[in-house]
Amino acid sequence: DGGITQSPKYLFRKEGQNVTLSCEQNLNHDAMYWYRQDPGQGLRLIYYSQIVNDFQKGDIAEGYSVSREKKESFPLTVTSAQKNPTAFYLCASRQANTEAFFGQGTRLTVV
Amino acid sequence: GQQVMQIPQYQHVQEGEDFTTYCNSSTTLSNIQWYKQRPGGHPVFLIQLVKSGEVKKQKRLTFQFGEAKKNSSLHITATQTTDVGTYFCALTGGATNKLIFGTGTLLAVQP
Repeated sequence: DGGITQSPKYLFRKEGQNVTLSCEQNLNHDAMYWYRQDPGQGLRLIYYSQIVNDFQKGDIAEGYSVSREKKESFPLTVTSAQKNPTAFYLCASRQANTEAFFGQGTRLTVV
Repeated sequence: GQQVMQIPQYQHVQEGEDFTTYCNSSTTLSNIQWYKQRPGGHPVFLIQLVKSGEVKKQKRLTFQFGEAKKNSSLHITATQTTDVGTYFCALTGGATNKLIFGTGTLLAVQP
Protein backbone atom coordinates (compact mmCIF):
# COMPACT_ATOMS: atom_id res chain seq x y z
CA ASP A 1 0.00 0.00 0.00
CA GLY A 2 1.48 3.34 -1.02
CA GLY A 3 0.97 6.23 1.33
CA ILE A 4 2.09 8.30 4.23
CA THR A 5 2.04 6.98 7.79
CA GLN A 6 2.08 8.93 11.01
CA SER A 7 2.58 7.42 14.43
CA PRO A 8 1.42 7.33 17.07
CA LYS A 9 -2.20 8.36 16.54
CA TYR A 10 -2.47 9.68 20.11
CA LEU A 11 0.41 10.91 22.26
CA PHE A 12 0.50 12.24 25.78
CA ARG A 13 3.38 14.33 27.01
CA LYS A 14 4.29 15.53 30.43
CA GLU A 15 5.31 19.13 30.83
CA GLY A 16 9.03 19.60 30.22
CA GLN A 17 9.43 16.48 28.06
CA ASN A 18 10.51 16.27 24.45
CA VAL A 19 8.47 13.98 22.19
CA THR A 20 9.04 12.84 18.62
CA LEU A 21 6.29 12.31 16.07
CA SER A 22 6.99 9.91 13.26
CA CYS A 23 6.18 10.47 9.58
CA GLU A 24 7.07 7.91 6.90
CA GLN A 25 6.16 7.90 3.21
CA ASN A 26 6.70 5.33 0.47
CA LEU A 27 5.54 7.57 -2.38
CA ASN A 28 9.09 8.52 -3.35
CA HIS A 29 8.22 12.18 -2.83
CA ASP A 30 10.99 14.76 -2.45
CA ALA A 31 9.05 17.29 -0.39
CA MET A 32 7.64 16.72 3.09
CA TYR A 33 5.77 19.05 5.44
CA TRP A 34 4.65 19.34 9.05
CA TYR A 35 1.53 21.29 10.02
CA ARG A 36 -0.14 22.09 13.30
CA GLN A 37 -3.93 22.35 13.56
CA ASP A 38 -5.72 23.72 16.62
CA PRO A 39 -9.46 23.13 17.20
CA GLY A 40 -11.51 25.04 14.65
CA GLN A 41 -8.37 26.47 13.10
CA GLY A 42 -6.51 26.17 9.83
CA LEU A 43 -3.22 24.42 9.12
CA ARG A 44 -0.09 26.29 10.12
CA LEU A 45 3.25 25.29 8.60
CA ILE A 46 5.93 24.26 11.12
CA TYR A 47 8.76 22.95 8.92
CA TYR A 48 9.16 21.68 5.40
CA SER A 49 11.83 19.83 3.49
CA GLN A 50 12.37 19.92 -0.25
CA ILE A 51 15.03 17.24 -0.36
CA VAL A 52 17.05 14.91 1.85
CA ASN A 53 19.37 16.66 4.33
CA ASP A 54 17.62 19.98 3.82
CA PHE A 55 14.74 21.63 5.65
CA GLN A 56 13.29 25.11 6.12
CA LYS A 57 11.38 26.81 8.91
CA GLY A 58 7.71 27.51 8.38
CA ASP A 59 5.62 30.15 10.11
CA ILE A 60 5.63 28.59 13.61
CA ALA A 61 8.95 26.72 13.94
CA GLU A 62 9.81 27.90 17.46
CA GLY A 63 9.84 25.01 19.94
CA TYR A 64 10.05 22.36 17.20
CA SER A 65 12.90 20.56 15.44
CA VAL A 66 13.09 18.19 12.48
CA SER A 67 15.57 16.03 10.57
CA ARG A 68 15.56 14.60 7.06
CA GLU A 69 18.25 11.94 6.94
CA LYS A 70 16.27 9.66 4.64
CA LYS A 71 13.95 10.52 1.78
CA GLU A 72 11.07 8.55 3.26
CA SER A 73 11.27 9.89 6.82
CA PHE A 74 10.67 13.34 8.34
CA PRO A 75 10.31 13.11 12.15
CA LEU A 76 9.16 16.10 14.18
CA THR A 77 10.37 16.70 17.73
CA VAL A 78 8.22 18.85 19.98
CA THR A 79 10.62 20.26 22.55
CA SER A 80 10.01 21.55 26.04
CA ALA A 81 10.47 25.05 24.61
CA GLN A 82 7.08 24.75 22.90
CA LYS A 83 4.82 26.30 25.52
CA ASN A 84 1.48 25.18 24.12
CA PRO A 85 2.02 21.91 22.26
CA THR A 86 -1.46 20.40 22.59
CA ALA A 87 -2.73 20.18 18.99
CA PHE A 88 -3.35 17.93 16.01
CA TYR A 89 -0.18 17.43 13.94
CA LEU A 90 -0.35 16.58 10.26
CA CYS A 91 2.45 15.42 8.01
CA ALA A 92 2.25 15.66 4.22
CA SER A 93 4.38 14.83 1.21
CA ARG A 94 4.31 15.69 -2.45
CA GLN A 95 6.38 15.82 -5.60
CA ALA A 96 7.17 19.29 -6.98
CA ASN A 97 4.02 21.48 -7.11
CA THR A 98 1.54 18.64 -7.35
CA GLU A 99 -1.08 17.50 -4.85
CA ALA A 100 -0.08 16.86 -1.26
CA PHE A 101 -0.89 13.59 0.47
CA PHE A 102 -1.51 13.68 4.20
CA GLY A 103 -1.05 11.17 6.98
CA GLN A 104 -3.84 10.40 9.44
CA GLY A 105 -2.37 12.81 11.99
CA THR A 106 -1.11 12.63 15.57
CA ARG A 107 -3.13 14.15 18.40
CA LEU A 108 -0.72 15.40 21.06
CA THR A 109 -1.94 16.25 24.54
CA VAL A 110 0.10 17.70 27.41
CA VAL A 111 -0.84 16.19 30.77
CA GLY B 1 4.43 34.98 6.37
CA GLN B 2 2.14 35.15 3.38
CA GLN B 3 -1.47 35.91 4.31
CA VAL B 4 -4.26 33.76 2.92
CA MET B 5 -7.72 34.62 4.13
CA GLN B 6 -10.82 32.58 3.49
CA ILE B 7 -14.36 33.80 3.95
CA PRO B 8 -16.66 32.92 5.49
CA GLN B 9 -15.10 31.09 8.45
CA TYR B 10 -18.26 29.09 8.93
CA GLN B 11 -21.47 28.53 6.95
CA HIS B 12 -24.56 26.58 7.83
CA VAL B 13 -26.91 25.69 4.96
CA GLN B 14 -29.99 23.59 4.41
CA GLU B 15 -29.45 20.58 2.21
CA GLY B 16 -30.04 21.60 -1.40
CA GLU B 17 -28.83 25.17 -0.96
CA ASP B 18 -25.71 26.43 -2.69
CA PHE B 19 -22.44 27.28 -0.93
CA THR B 20 -19.43 29.41 -1.86
CA THR B 21 -16.11 29.97 -0.13
CA TYR B 22 -13.61 32.62 -1.18
CA CYS B 23 -9.84 32.62 -0.87
CA ASN B 24 -7.94 35.92 -0.98
CA SER B 25 -4.21 36.50 -1.04
CA SER B 26 -2.17 39.63 -0.42
CA THR B 27 0.17 38.69 -3.28
CA THR B 28 -0.11 37.25 -6.77
CA LEU B 29 -0.31 33.48 -6.69
CA SER B 30 1.53 30.97 -8.83
CA ASN B 31 -0.91 28.12 -8.38
CA ILE B 32 -3.72 27.41 -5.99
CA GLN B 33 -4.99 24.12 -4.67
CA TRP B 34 -8.19 23.18 -2.84
CA TYR B 35 -8.54 20.54 -0.15
CA LYS B 36 -11.42 19.11 1.90
CA GLN B 37 -11.07 17.90 5.47
CA ARG B 38 -13.91 15.84 6.90
CA PRO B 39 -14.51 16.15 10.66
CA GLY B 40 -11.83 14.15 12.48
CA GLY B 41 -9.99 13.44 9.25
CA HIS B 42 -7.08 14.74 7.24
CA PRO B 43 -7.12 17.10 4.23
CA VAL B 44 -7.72 15.48 0.87
CA PHE B 45 -6.76 17.15 -2.41
CA LEU B 46 -9.60 18.30 -4.65
CA ILE B 47 -8.05 20.30 -7.48
CA GLN B 48 -5.26 22.61 -8.65
CA LEU B 49 -5.72 25.84 -10.64
CA VAL B 50 -2.86 27.32 -12.60
CA LYS B 51 -4.08 29.78 -15.22
CA SER B 52 -5.50 33.24 -14.75
CA GLY B 53 -9.32 33.13 -15.03
CA GLU B 54 -9.36 29.34 -15.02
CA VAL B 55 -12.64 27.56 -14.22
CA LYS B 56 -12.81 23.84 -13.44
CA LYS B 57 -15.78 21.68 -12.52
CA GLN B 58 -16.08 18.44 -10.60
CA LYS B 59 -19.71 17.33 -10.59
CA ARG B 60 -21.44 19.85 -8.26
CA LEU B 61 -18.20 21.69 -7.42
CA THR B 62 -16.98 24.66 -9.47
CA PHE B 63 -13.53 26.16 -8.88
CA GLN B 64 -12.41 29.56 -10.17
CA PHE B 65 -9.07 31.35 -10.28
CA GLY B 66 -9.25 35.13 -10.43
CA GLU B 67 -8.02 37.07 -13.45
CA ALA B 68 -5.32 38.75 -11.36
CA LYS B 69 -4.41 35.43 -9.70
CA LYS B 70 -4.94 36.92 -6.25
CA ASN B 71 -8.17 35.15 -5.37
CA SER B 72 -10.07 31.94 -5.93
CA SER B 73 -13.47 30.51 -5.13
CA LEU B 74 -15.15 27.15 -4.63
CA HIS B 75 -18.88 26.89 -5.30
CA ILE B 76 -20.99 23.87 -4.43
CA THR B 77 -24.38 23.57 -6.11
CA ALA B 78 -27.22 21.88 -4.23
CA THR B 79 -25.29 20.84 -1.14
CA GLN B 80 -25.63 17.35 0.30
CA THR B 81 -24.83 16.08 3.79
CA THR B 82 -21.73 14.42 2.36
CA ASP B 83 -20.34 17.89 1.62
CA VAL B 84 -19.86 18.58 5.35
CA GLY B 85 -16.29 19.48 6.29
CA THR B 86 -13.72 22.22 6.14
CA TYR B 87 -12.58 23.51 2.77
CA PHE B 88 -9.09 24.92 2.47
CA CYS B 89 -7.31 26.72 -0.30
CA ALA B 90 -3.54 26.34 -0.43
CA LEU B 91 -0.89 28.41 -2.13
CA THR B 92 1.82 26.61 -3.96
CA GLY B 93 4.38 27.29 -6.61
CA GLY B 94 7.60 29.21 -6.68
CA ALA B 95 11.15 28.16 -5.98
CA THR B 96 10.71 27.28 -2.31
CA ASN B 97 8.05 24.60 -2.78
CA LYS B 98 6.24 25.95 0.27
CA LEU B 99 2.58 24.95 0.69
CA ILE B 100 0.62 27.52 2.70
CA PHE B 101 -2.98 26.85 3.68
CA GLY B 102 -5.77 29.34 4.02
CA THR B 103 -7.79 29.73 7.21
CA GLY B 104 -10.49 27.36 5.97
CA THR B 105 -14.29 27.47 5.74
CA LEU B 106 -16.31 25.03 7.81
CA LEU B 107 -19.48 23.91 6.03
CA ALA B 108 -22.39 22.45 8.00
CA VAL B 109 -25.32 20.99 6.05
CA GLN B 110 -28.67 20.44 7.72
CA PRO B 111 -30.77 17.62 6.23
